[in-house]
Amino acid sequence: GAGVSQSPRYKVAKRGQDVALRCDPISGHVSLFWYQQALGQGPEFLTYFQNEAQLDKSGLPSDRFFAERPEGSVSTLKIQRTQQEDSAVYLCASSLERDRGADYGYTFGSGTRLTVV
Amino acid sequence: AQKVTQAQTEISVVEKEDVTLDCVYETRDTTYYLFWYKQPPSGELVFLIRRNSFDEQNEISGRYSWNFQKSTSSFNFTITASQVVDSAVYFCALSYNYGQNFVFGPGTRLSVLP
Repeated sequence: GAGVSQSPRYKVAKRGQDVALRCDPISGHVSLFWYQQALGQGPEFLTYFQNEAQLDKSGLPSDRFFAERPEGSVSTLKIQRTQQEDSAVYLCASSLERDRGADYGYTFGSGTRLTVV
Repeated sequence: AQKVTQAQTEISVVEKEDVTLDCVYETRDTTYYLFWYKQPPSGELVFLIRRNSFDEQNEISGRYSWNFQKSTSSFNFTITASQVVDSAVYFCALSYNYGQNFVFGPGTRLSVLP
């Protein structure tokens, strides 16, 4: 597609519920990133994929967070047993490759706003 | 440590005023890239500019201009003759470790009043 597409746009979950957030990167983009943006803060790195390989998951805040990209295109970020502190906007970004992404800047989606009540 | 600081949390200006958004960064790398992104109310992050650490030339693009000064580790962004559509949160970001890592500042919320 022309841009990075994320769904759903908004998600309200009850505490303890599992959620799945979807990211469709730009076609042909090798690298895919997930960021978490808390209210009033800058985005913070969660995890990085190169094709289907998850090369860096150092930013995932707990083992309740899990991401996958099984065919090297669409990615899903899953949060198990959601907590109130998980409320944030989850942004997905893609680039042709990681190093060139840093050169040219990543292309971001509009994000999924997760509210845990 | 690699860090980006945007000391201005919120700025309000009246339309047609000029406004400068400050960005100060910290990195041990000699090769790095600096970016500005705009985040309008719709939520997406819109890429505005990148600058590599070896290019200290200032850049102008329409009403936007950027002042990169390595001596003070700053990469400030000026909007000339601001417009209501410029209202957004602006993020400064740093890419380091040969592009392996990317860190954002906390953002500055700009409100341009008619």
